Amino acid sequence: GAGVSQSPSNKVTEKGKDVELRCDPISGHTALYWYRQSLGQGLEFLIYFQGNSAPDKSGLPSDRFSAERTGGSVSTLTIQRTQQEDSAVYLCASSATGGEDYGYTFGSGTRLTVV
Amino acid sequence: RKEVEQDPGPFNVPEGATVAFNCTYSNSASQSFFWYRQDCRKEPKLLMSVYSSGNEDGRFTAQLNRASQYISLLIRDSKLSDSATYLCVAYNYGQNFVFGPGTRLSVLP
Repeated sequence: GAGVSQSPSNKVTEKGKDVELRCDPISGHTALYWYRQSLGQGLEFLIYFQGNSAPDKSGLPSDRFSAERTGGSVSTLTIQRTQQEDSAVYLCASSATGGEDYGYTFGSGTRLTVV
Repeated sequence: RKEVEQDPGPFNVPEGATVAFNCTYSNSASQSFFWYRQDCRKEPKLLMSVYSSGNEDGRFTAQLNRASQYISLLIRDSKLSDSATYLCVAYNYGQNFVFGPGTRLSVLP
């Protein structure tokens, strides 16, 4: 597609439920990143995929968080047993290389609310 | 200490004013730098890359001082539409992008 697509755009879930957030990067982009942004806060790095390399998971806040990227394209971020502190906007970004030359493009995010 | 730090703001300036944002980074190995703009409740969007020689894009000028590990963004002739949060970003080869906390700008009529 023309841009990075994320779904759903909004998700309200009950505490303790699992959620899956999806990201469709720009076609051909090898690098994919997940960030989250809590209200009024900066971007918090979660995980980075680059081609077929092992992902950089150093930003995942707990073992309730996991992500995968199938076929080097679509990525799914899964949060198990959601907690209220997981409420945030989850942003996905992709770039053609590592992004060092031209930065990367963000999707419009998934706004997650845990009630 | 955060890896990328910015003026906290908010900056409230009248239309037509010139405003400058500063950013410092702590990792001397950082290779590439960018300014992103984020509107309220929207995703960040790339404003411009920052080159060692300095670069200009219309009313926006970005500069990099590697010796001082300092980046700046200058906005001339501010418009109401420039109101946003400006994010400074450092990239370390083989790692992820590190975003600063952002500086909020409000341009007032």
